[in-house]
Amino acid sequence: EVQLVESGGGLVKPGGSLRLSCAASGFTFSTYSMNWVRQAPGKGLEWVSSITSSSTYIYYADSVRGRFTISRDNAKNSLYLQMNSLRAEDTAVYYCARSGEIKTIFGVVILSIDYWGQGTLVTVSS
Amino acid sequence: EIVLTQSPGTLSLSPGERATLSCRASQSVSSIYLAWYQQKPGQAPRLLIYDTSNRATGIPDRFSGSGSGTGFTLTISRLEPEDFAVYYCQQYGSSPRTFGQGTKLEIK
Repeated sequence: EVQLVESGGGLVKPGGSLRLSCAASGFTFSTYSMNWVRQAPGKGLEWVSSITSSSTYIYYADSVRGRFTISRDNAKNSLYLQMNSLRAEDTAVYYCARSGEIKTIFGVVILSIDYWGQGTLVTVSS
Repeated sequence: EIVLTQSPGTLSLSPGERATLSCRASQSVSSIYLAWYQQKPGQAPRLLIYDTSNRATGIPDRFSGSGSGTGFTLTISRLEPEDFAVYYCQQYGSSPRTFGQGTKLEIK
């Protein structure tokens, strides 16, 4: 059974930092791309970042580029999101999510999200 | 950036009725890379449809997806009580991998 368990959320002051982790199990982690998606209270889904299986390709939403860093440790079956310079508008539930990928002559295509974790709440407030 | 606009914002229907949800893209979605997700209150989203028209594992055949280019549709043929939720489309053909704002399907 595929399981994605996020941790590391909490209350942080504006300008502060937080590191989210996602522990994966039930599948071969090293062969899947991974994503972070967030959802502000009462709002819709917002894609944050994606990373391919070998960390070759990394993508960020404009709203977090330069402040957030996605990474993974395939030996530990873990995904991370380092969040710096946090703002009130970063307050959200952060979901870790899995995607398949296919390799093409142009690079790697990250496919749809097929499994989601239950999320961890990040609150940025003074 | 591809902007996805879902309509209607809220859809009020009764169990047994047919639901048609629309997702329009500001520019053509690369290949067939569009998905639909269902989210119920307090839960994580769940994949329903991937690659425009393929049902995910375990999804009932009353759910179907269609479309191409800039126009996509999720159809639920006969609504069951458990289908009332919020539905999101997402394109993953280009970065940023944008979501629509969601359609809330509520019981009439």
